[in-house]
Amino acid sequence: GNSVTQMEGPVTLSEEAFLTINCTYTATGYPSLFWYVQYPGEGLQLLLKATKADDKGSNKGFEATYRKETTSFHLEKGSVQVSDSAVYFCALLNILTGGGNKLTFGTGTQLKVEL
Amino acid sequence: DAGITQSPRHKVTETGTPVTLRCHQTENHRYMYWYRQDPGHGLRLIHYSYGVKDTDKGEVSDGYSVSRSKTEDFLLTLESATSSQTSVYFCAISAGTGELFFGEGSRLTVL
Repeated sequence: GNSVTQMEGPVTLSEEAFLTINCTYTATGYPSLFWYVQYPGEGLQLLLKATKADDKGSNKGFEATYRKETTSFHLEKGSVQVSDSAVYFCALLNILTGGGNKLTFGTGTQLKVEL
Repeated sequence: DAGITQSPRHKVTETGTPVTLRCHQTENHRYMYWYRQDPGHGLRLIHYSYGVKDTDKGEVSDGYSVSRSKTEDFLLTLESATSSQTSVYFCAISAGTGELFFGEGSRLTVL
């Protein structure tokens, strides 16, 4: 079945450092891909998405490119801030029988940014 | 923010007791989901609904049941709670576009 693998954390960076969180997927076809972020004590919220190969999703300085050749969707940011400290989840979209869709999530990567 | 309310937000119960978690939405979205979040597992789908009285199982449905009698409410029931069901439960809604909107979570502890 479809699955998502992302790098384990925690990842600890200094403010203004470059961030990469790796995500690879296994899927039939070319599903839409997402990055969600979870701040402490909150639910998940969509950070960015890409719906087809070579698409680049971007939001709040974060970017990820849908690479079908390497089945990857790595999250990057050029200069992280303390406020980016959170757990980041990579996910892919599955179509469900009966309609609708569901997200299959990776295990999450905790990011800690220090001054 | 998407209008999703989960209740209760925190609950402590004992093994063998029934527990019901409620998810209420004000967005009139067709699709609703219950996920559980556990360390090392990410989020795993328990059950989902694609309309009133239309529900189906997710990947970790054993020990859980759901009901959806109105568009806005999706209930998750643990008929006889076990310690393995200690978790954080998230409700999510979708209009079918691929993006899911999540509630703030319900933390359940089964002693």
